[in-house]
Parts: sequence; structure tokens; C-alpha cells
Amino acid sequence: NAGVTQTPKFRILKIGQSMTLQCTQDMNHNYMYWYRQDPGMGLKLIYYSVGAGITDKGEVPNGYNVSRSTTEDFPLRLELAAPSQTSVYFCASSYQDRGFSFFGPGTRLTVL
Amino acid sequence: EDQVTQSPEALRLQEGESSSLNCSYTVSGLRGLFWYRQDPGKGPEFLFTLYSAGEEKEKERLKATLTKKESFLHITAPKPEDSATYLCAVPTTGNQFYFGTGTSLTVIP
Repeated sequence: NAGVTQTPKFRILKIGQSMTLQCTQDMNHNYMYWYRQDPGMGLKLIYYSVGAGITDKGEVPNGYNVSRSTTEDFPLRLELAAPSQTSVYFCASSYQDRGFSFFGPGTRLTVL
Repeated sequence: EDQVTQSPEALRLQEGESSSLNCSYTVSGLRGLFWYRQDPGKGPEFLFTLYSAGEEKEKERLKATLTKKESFLHITAPKPEDSATYLCAVPTTGNQFYFGTGTSLTVIP
């Protein structure tokens, strides 16, 4: 099993550009999450999904959108990138409600 | 308001020098406390889940314990390869998790 994979690993965006961060898991997990991690701030939940077709906002959803058309994929869309979205983004999945998560390797995004 | 606080922010130990990391929490109705390890440039990796006060779990040189207000991650005779950031997390409303800011551990040979 590859576990949770994320692409790209690194990306530099200009202010106002858009992009999609890809996340795929091959463990047939229903629960998937997107977090951002800023220095000294801990992991903050952006969006999560409890199954295909079901998504919900986390603690810091503004400026982001998600979709979940399949169990495996959970892309995160950034529209009109802003410097405040410079961060490391982690996708995670879990096999049960409130169970521990498997994390992907992260995407380091810089908005200039 | 649910909250998780970790201390210290950073810890430097000599190889073999045992110590403890703290995770204090305030949540209404604890439904588990999770410990993760995060190496630089990588995603967190699950270590332990604790569900009730008095529970303990061990893995190699690590032992996690839980009381009604806090959890400790005890590191016995650490080695340089134990150097990492250790995160704790608790489930909150819905299917969300609240993470602490972590303790950065450096073990010096």
C-alpha cells in the first residue's frame, strides 16, 4: 500500500493564482482531512470528509474548497491565492470515526 | 472551549537522559487522546491512543500515560533517533481533531 500520497511536494504561486492540491489514499478509508501547519501554530483543520460526496468545514476553511467524488481522492482547491496561505498542507485519512489518522508527506506552498 | 497545550516547546536531552513531555487538555467528554511523532519535512506518524484515566501504552523507549487533565509521554534512555516533534491531539466536535503545537525533542549523542 502506498498509504496517503500528495502532489505536488512543493509549489510557488503568485498572488491571485489558483491551484489544486491532490490527495489520494489506497486504504479504502471513509474519513479524510486537510490540515495546514504553520510554524508554532500546530495543525489546523481546513476541511474534512466522512465519505464520498460528503464534506464539511473545519476550523480554517476560508479561501479553500474541496470535493470528494470518490473514496480515494480528496483534492483541495485554492482560489485567488494570498500570502496568508503560505503553509505546509497535509492530507490525512482514517478508517473510523475519531480514529487515528495516516498522514501524507505534505505539500509546501509559498504564495508571493 | 476545547484546548490542548503542550510543554515544553523544545527539549534538549543527552543520550540516555530520561524525561517527560506534557499534554494538558480541556475538552468536554474526552473521546481519546492521540500522540504522533513528526520528523522534519514529513507528515505526523501515529504513536498511541489513550482513552481513559490511568491507561498506559508503551512502544520501545516511549510510554504514554493519561490522567483526567493531562497526558505524559515518557522517554526512557532516549537515543538520537528519537529526535522529532511530538504532537498530541484530541477529537472535538463532529469528526474534527484539535492538535497541540508540539514539543521539539533533540537528543544529543
